[in-house]
Amino acid sequence: NAGVTQTPKFQVLKTGQSMTLQCAQDMNHNSMYWYRQDPGMGLRLIYYSASEGTTDKGEVPNGYNVSRLNKREFSLRLESAAPSQTSVYFCASSEAGGDRQPQHFGDGTRLSIL
Amino acid sequence: KNQVEQSPQSLIILEGKNCTLQCNYTVSPFSNLRWYKQDTGRGPVSLTIMTFSENTKSNGRYTATLDADTKQSSLHITASQLSDSASYICVVSGMDSNYQLIWGAGTKLIIKP
Repeated sequence: NAGVTQTPKFQVLKTGQSMTLQCAQDMNHNSMYWYRQDPGMGLRLIYYSASEGTTDKGEVPNGYNVSRLNKREFSLRLESAAPSQTSVYFCASSEAGGDRQPQHFGDGTRLSIL
Repeated sequence: KNQVEQSPQSLIILEGKNCTLQCNYTVSPFSNLRWYKQDTGRGPVSLTIMTFSENTKSNGRYTATLDADTKQSSLHITASQLSDSASYICVVSGMDSNYQLIWGAGTKLIIKP
């Protein structure tokens, strides 16, 4: 029962470095999401993929890119990391019609940008 | 602006006691309201989802209520256990949300033995 798996769990980067956060789900869900969680704030949607082959911007997409590699995998890339991107990043998935379905989350990637 | 506000920010209660967490939202038009539990260092886990036509929904010792007229929801925890220590997050979806949910900042609940 893996559910949603995120790698890595922790990462420290220097300003200007790039990296890709990986996410895979084994629930055959159509929709996948990337969020960031900052202290004292609600989760904010970065990008989402309603179905394989489609991606859309969320509330805070600047500085990020995504790839829906296949139905299982959805990656998030930081091209040139900035200290403001220090956060905990969560990947989630849901069945089709994500607006009315629960989202299932991974355990997050804790990212620090120095 | 669509917003979800939760109170209190934090709460400490003794094991075995009941508690109620509050959520007020301004999202309109409204589609559904969710409660999530987030353990420290883990991702959120769904507890309940309620549409505007549902007033109450239970999941074990968790009971959520919804008043769509006043745009308020509450999460009641009965006979608390140490494992209930977590953040509880209220999340609202609007009719025109286009897959985007409005997340509250959460209530941090600590259960003491």
